[in-house]
Amino acid sequence: GAVVSQHPSWVICKSGTSVKIECRSLDFQATTMFWYRQFPKQSLMLMATSNEGSKATYEQGVEKDKFLINHASLTLSTLTVTSAHPEDSSFYICSARDVQRGLNEQFFGPGTRLTVL
Amino acid sequence: AQSVAQPEDQVNVAEGNPLTVKCTYSVSGNPYLFWYVQYPNRGLQFLLKYITGDNLVKGSYGFEAEFNKSQTSFHLKKPSALVSDSALYFCAVRDTENNFNKFYFGSGTKLNVKP
Repeated sequence: GAVVSQHPSWVICKSGTSVKIECRSLDFQATTMFWYRQFPKQSLMLMATSNEGSKATYEQGVEKDKFLINHASLTLSTLTVTSAHPEDSSFYICSARDVQRGLNEQFFGPGTRLTVL
Repeated sequence: AQSVAQPEDQVNVAEGNPLTVKCTYSVSGNPYLFWYVQYPNRGLQFLLKYITGDNLVKGSYGFEAEFNKSQTSFHLKKPSALVSDSALYFCAVRDTENNFNKFYFGSGTKLNVKP
């Protein structure tokens, strides 16, 4: 149980295009999902907290208009990188909190490698 | 504010020897501490957590961690390392100061277990 998937697992796009990444909780309902960004050999940096049915809460320094987050259902959150540029290339990881298991654990997706040419 | 620190970028250990990956924390309120492991190009896998109770927490794959309040530490340990334990390890603390329960991660420690 508590499986989180991400799609796609990797994507290459041209500069200026937009890319959508999906995060799904496969066997549980997730009222809250989190989006992280990880640069090579660095830690995970929280970008935003996504709550089902409401606007996402972004961390300081993260551009809301560039990283659009939608959490339309209890099992799906999407991150859209708009007008992507090479500096947006990174490993994006989502996590989800299982409501029934309480607040003390997050389950992570396998990550999405984004490369912007 | 909550934070964790992992003072070692890399830990090298021979297979069969005990291993320790260090983590210290700074929190307001009760600490909710976690260890995760990451293999190359993969997401994070949960190893163990400390919420309350016994200071020695046992987790997955034979790992354990000891919560030490006086030293504000939560070091990850394993009695006998395996080559397959080689990976990136993250210590994390859960934010208890707001309703979103965010996690804050340490900088990560790369564990190299040599045959």
